[in-house]
Formats: sequence, C-alpha cells, structure tokens
Amino acid sequence: ETGVTQTPRHLVMGMTNKKSLKCEQHLGHNAMYWYKQSAKKPLELMFVYSLEERVENNSVPSRFSPECPNSSHLFLHLHTLQPEDSALYLCASSQEDSGGGRRYEETQYFGPGTRLLVL
Amino acid sequence: AQKITQTQPGMFVQEKEAVTLDCTYDTSDPSYGLFWYKQPSSGEMIFLIYQGSYDQQNATEGRYSLNFQKARKSANLVISASQLGDSAMYFCAMRGGSGSARQLTFGSGTQLTVLP
Repeated sequence: ETGVTQTPRHLVMGMTNKKSLKCEQHLGHNAMYWYKQSAKKPLELMFVYSLEERVENNSVPSRFSPECPNSSHLFLHLHTLQPEDSALYLCASSQEDSGGGRRYEETQYFGPGTRLLVL
Repeated sequence: AQKITQTQPGMFVQEKEAVTLDCTYDTSDPSYGLFWYKQPSSGEMIFLIYQGSYDQQNATEGRYSLNFQKARKSANLVISASQLGDSAMYFCAMRGGSGSARQLTFGSGTQLTVLP
C-alpha cells in the first residue's frame, strides 16, 4: 500500500448505528487530519492530530469521536448520526516541522475518502 | 481570517489546448502557502502544485503551472495540453503562517471538462 488509504470506501448507516472509519498513511508523516466534504460546500476541517495528540477540534459535534493510536492510523468513530452528516469524509496526512515556523509550506496528502450516507 | 475565491463553477476546454483556472485569496498573514488539488469523480483529493508567498518564481510541475500575482492576490492554475483525464473538480487552497496554521482553507472549486 502507498500513500493514504481509507476504509470503507462507502458506508450506509442508520441513525442508531455505530460505525468507524479507518485511515492509514504509509508516508511516514507525523500529522493526520479529518475533513468533511458536503455537497455544494467547501471542505471543512474536523480534527487534527499531531504526534498522536489532538491539537484541533473545530466545533465538531460529539457524535463524531476521533482516535489516533499511532502516527500511521486514524479513526473516526460515528454514533447516532443525523442525515445531514451524510458527506464524503477525507483523511489527510502531512509531515509537520517541529518548530512550526514554516507550517504553511507543509503539503497535506489525502486519501480516497469514505462516502457516508445516513438514513 | 483566510478566504479563497474561485469564480468559475465550470469550465470547458478542447483536448490539447491550455486552460486557466482562476483563484483569488485574502489573508492578513505575511507568510502563506497556496495549493491546488484535483478531485476526480472517485473522490480522492490529488495534490498538484504548491506556491509559497515568498517564492520569487512561479511554480511548475509538468503540465501544471501556477500564475502567482502577489499584489493582486491571485494564484491561477494553468494546465497546458489538456487531456481527457484532466476532467475533474479543481480546488485552490491556502495555508496561513500563523493562527490556524494547520488548516487548509479551500475554495468552492471549478469543474473542468475536457472535450475530445
């Protein structure tokens, strides 16, 4: 496997279900991200993990719960979702500069996404 | 706050011709990075090209080049010799040098269709 992989690629779930999205990066990066892409809306950053520590949580509802057990794996646990949560969920990774001074240069590499439909 | 504007919801280009996709941005950060991504119908966001705010020369990557005009705050993507496989959604994105530096701010995208 190369780059960033995500499973499953498609998911249909009811509002009472619990499911998890998985992301794995094979690039040796130290930061991972979850983005949400809804129809007709720009991508929205949900969570950021740097060195396995959550460093950003952009006002995401608690029905979304991220987990980063190591620098290569990132999960998004889903429970009691709403139909408006239907979207493409994209995982990304990057190599962060430890000093943080030139973070604007760091390219984020994305996975193929999981298309989620909540019924 | 940062903002990316892509004013072309859709563009058409004839195969083998060049096409320019527009992007303007707004930021108060003196340091920032500009990125272009391609998203085919399969959904994957594919990184194409990067331009730093302090770079003196326009970035180029194969058939992709970035026309960076800092004073006008524009970072247009030029695709030369278009191919049918270039048909996709194209997103301009920015990453600032301070504050929410980890966040990529995306534009609304341009749907490019290459005609045979």
